[in-house]
Amino acid sequence: DSGVTQTPKHLITATGQRVTLRCSPRSGDLSVYWYQQSLDQGLQFLIHYYNGEERAKGNILERFSAQQFPDLHSELNLSSLELGDSALYFCASSVDFGTESPLHFGNGTRLTVT
Amino acid sequence: DAKTTQPPSMDCAEGRAANLPCNHSTISGNEYVYWYRQIHSQGPQYIIHGLKNNETNEMASLIITEDRKSSTLILPHATLRDTAVYYCIVRVESWDTGRRALTFGSGTRLQVQP
Repeated sequence: DSGVTQTPKHLITATGQRVTLRCSPRSGDLSVYWYQQSLDQGLQFLIHYYNGEERAKGNILERFSAQQFPDLHSELNLSSLELGDSALYFCASSVDFGTESPLHFGNGTRLTVT
Repeated sequence: DAKTTQPPSMDCAEGRAANLPCNHSTISGNEYVYWYRQIHSQGPQYIIHGLKNNETNEMASLIITEDRKSSTLILPHATLRDTAVYYCIVRVESWDTGRRALTFGSGTRLQVQP
């Protein structure tokens, strides 16, 4: 158990809808990272928050947004969903104190868009 | 971050050591080598990381060549539960928290045979 909690585990929704994925980082970790894994793309970095502030963006679509709250949990919002957004969405956390802290991943949310 | 090259797949007999190679010939002096694995759509699991010295923990050993251009992850006594995709990742170590995201390649699919 990595200590990173993601909810829900599974989500099925229709095209055009909006969903929110939630991530609770490990106790003491200040950073939250979001990744997307679809069958043909591998693990793709989406966005990174550190202590409430956005720190880096990867291949995140404009229809997607995220935030990190004062209690350090994070939410990833996906809107105007398309069939191609069906994927596993992983959250990772890291203490990010010093220069070499590894990321610890949750077990993901499986999103199916029908 | 330096690019890594891994064989797409490997087999190993149960109980034997699994040696997974990784080439990172363009690595620079401030880049660490990280290893993760992903077991069947679960979240990636952190295994080990190192800079230039060999490292060992309860899961595995990491051997980095003296010129740092390649490394080997060793699972000393592979079990069926070690069947997974193993990722070798190089990440620059920086005090800039905006440079901490990991970039995953396609990894090595290790199949442990009974």
